[in-house]
Amino acid sequence: DTEVTQTPKHLVMGMTNKKSLKCEQHMGHRAMYWYKQKAKKPPELMFVYSYEKLSINESVPSRFSPECPNSSLLNLHLHALQPEDSALYLCASSQWDRGEKLFFGSGTQLSVL
Amino acid sequence: DAKTTQPPSMDCAEGRAANLPCNHSTISGNEYVYWYRQIHSQGPQYIIHGLKNNETNEMASLIITEDRKSSTLILPHATLRDTAVYYCIVRGAFSSGSARQLTFGSGTQLTVLP
Repeated sequence: DTEVTQTPKHLVMGMTNKKSLKCEQHMGHRAMYWYKQKAKKPPELMFVYSYEKLSINESVPSRFSPECPNSSLLNLHLHALQPEDSALYLCASSQWDRGEKLFFGSGTQLSVL
Repeated sequence: DAKTTQPPSMDCAEGRAANLPCNHSTISGNEYVYWYRQIHSQGPQYIIHGLKNNETNEMASLIITEDRKSSTLILPHATLRDTAVYYCIVRGAFSSGSARQLTFGSGTQLTVLP
């Protein structure tokens, strides 16, 4: 199984809502990532988890809160988002956190109203 | 990490070889060249990577010039399903923190024409 599964595929939320994005992999990878991709732009790194611990936070606003409950799961908790946070949120995993061969999910398309 | 320069778009006829260039003139000795692609509405997909030697796998070939300042990704027989944005990324193997993570540039939109 070389898949990274993300749910939901689409999400619409208001600025006062709290929602969570979920990501799962069963490849035994020890590193997991969140990327954000605005329309017609390249993906931008948000967070890196290595061995279930947050190792990199690319100065992401606190309204985005990552969580890694175990080695197979990665969540991104969303609270009080702004319309400009509307984007495709991509999860990825890799064997180690050296940024080598990453496996990406298909993403969650988020719209903030 | 060294920056890369890619043409914004390219066309290729179906069944012909697609040659996608990438310039990385400031690459340093321990930096690898990676290629990913992103088909519309999907996440990026790893294609291939190399350091000095040319590399080939079931998806593509990677040709790196001797001075390592540029490279070419070759899709030998392009199909319509190869239409995607192709990203050339240079990444340091021994960097730490954010520097050793993948940083995507603007990429090349390859359109395979029937």
